[in-house]
Amino acid sequence: GAGVSQSPRYKVTKRGQDVALRCDPISGHVSLYWYRQALGQGPEFLTYFNYEAQQDKSGLPNDRFSAERPEGSISTLTIQRTEQRDSAMYRCASSLGGGATEAFFGQGTRLTVV
Amino acid sequence: QQQVKQSPQSLIVQKGGISIINCAYENTAFDYFPWYQQFPGKGPALLIAIRPDVSEKKEGRFTISFNKSAKQFSLHIMDSQPGDSATYFCAAADRGSTLGRLYFGRGTQLTVWP
Repeated sequence: GAGVSQSPRYKVTKRGQDVALRCDPISGHVSLYWYRQALGQGPEFLTYFNYEAQQDKSGLPNDRFSAERPEGSISTLTIQRTEQRDSAMYRCASSLGGGATEAFFGQGTRLTVV
Repeated sequence: QQQVKQSPQSLIVQKGGISIINCAYENTAFDYFPWYQQFPGKGPALLIAIRPDVSEKKEGRFTISFNKSAKQFSLHIMDSQPGDSATYFCAAADRGSTLGRLYFGRGTQLTVWP
């Protein structure tokens, strides 16, 4: 596609439910990143993929969070047993290659846990 | 711990004036310093970036000034326009070790009055 596509745009879930957030990067982009952005804050790194390999997951807050990119394209960020503190904007970005070259961000998924 | 500190949190400038946003960092391994612009409801978009081998980079009305010894960099927007009203994020990365991971500042909300 023309840009990074994320779905759903908005997700409201009850505490304790699992959610899956999807990211479709720009075609041909090797690197894919997940960030979380709280209101009034800058994006905070969660995890990073090069092709299908998860290169860095040090930003994932705890083991309820996981991510995969099985075919090196679309990625899914899964949050199990959601808690209210998980409420935030989740942003995906992609770039042509690693090394912090220009990262293109999607519009994000606004997650609200009630 | 905030790796990149950004100020001010908000900035109001008259049309035609100069907007200046400052950032500071501690990690001397950082070697890539981008600025992102974010409009409401949109993802951050790369505006301009600099590497530490130069002290200044200019693109149109936007200039990054970089002071390696002080570990500071700033964004200057000349002849500010109402269309520049947005949130601006500085960021930094160590492309050698942390590859795609960007560390963002907390953002500056710029308002340009006509």
